[in-house]
Amino acid sequence: QSVLTQPPSVSAAPGQKVTISCSGSSSNIGNNYVSWYQQLPGTAPKLLIYDNNKRPSGIPDRFSGSKSGTSATLGITGLQTGDEADYYCGTWDSSLSAHVVFGGGTKLTVL
Amino acid sequence: QLQLQESGPGLVKPSETLSLTCTVSGGSISSSSYYWGWIRQPPGKGLEWIGSIYYSGSTYYNPSLKSRVTISVDTSKNQFSLKLSSVTAADTAVYYCARHDRDATGLNWFDPWGQGTLVTVSS
Repeated sequence: QSVLTQPPSVSAAPGQKVTISCSGSSSNIGNNYVSWYQQLPGTAPKLLIYDNNKRPSGIPDRFSGSKSGTSATLGITGLQTGDEADYYCGTWDSSLSAHVVFGGGTKLTVL
Repeated sequence: QLQLQESGPGLVKPSETLSLTCTVSGGSISSSSYYWGWIRQPPGKGLEWIGSIYYSGSTYYNPSLKSRVTISVDTSKNQFSLKLSSVTAADTAVYYCARHDRDATGLNWFDPWGQGTLVTVSS
């Protein structure tokens, strides 16, 4: 069971908007930056959002991130079939044994 | 353009030690802004962080794997390596290496990632 909680799956139609939640605690999301990764089938994860809401160069502004308290959200607008992938949130957990934690991943289906 | 490439045996016997190396090209592993990390993904499952290392040798490990993991760095070769001892079938996974951002608050995002290498634990 993952430290960060994500819904196993979400779905929406092309052109629509979807959000993916990531819930944690004060030792991780509550006091550290959140990042999001997109993993297309058969490929390595790719950084999508870092420092809660920043996009690396080359990531379209259809992707957005936000954080409030101990939860974070990834938003995707103008859904495309190419967005079908697994999405993971991750952050630092600054508890006694400081370590990285990931969410269990969310499978996005574009209907 | 920074690139990372994992290398090592694709098959390891139970109870033996898994050894992988990540070669960094297009940039220096001795950058003060980054750690270098290992992440794995069992078939059909999610991501699990294994550990990360700074060019000076400072490390952070996943508490659940700490007793079996050793990560080392060779700055002369621009490489860092993973050793996981006493492996079982549960250690079968795709193993990724990645650059791991750091700041005053801790370690943050991973980017870029290597393509990953599948390691199967089987006799």
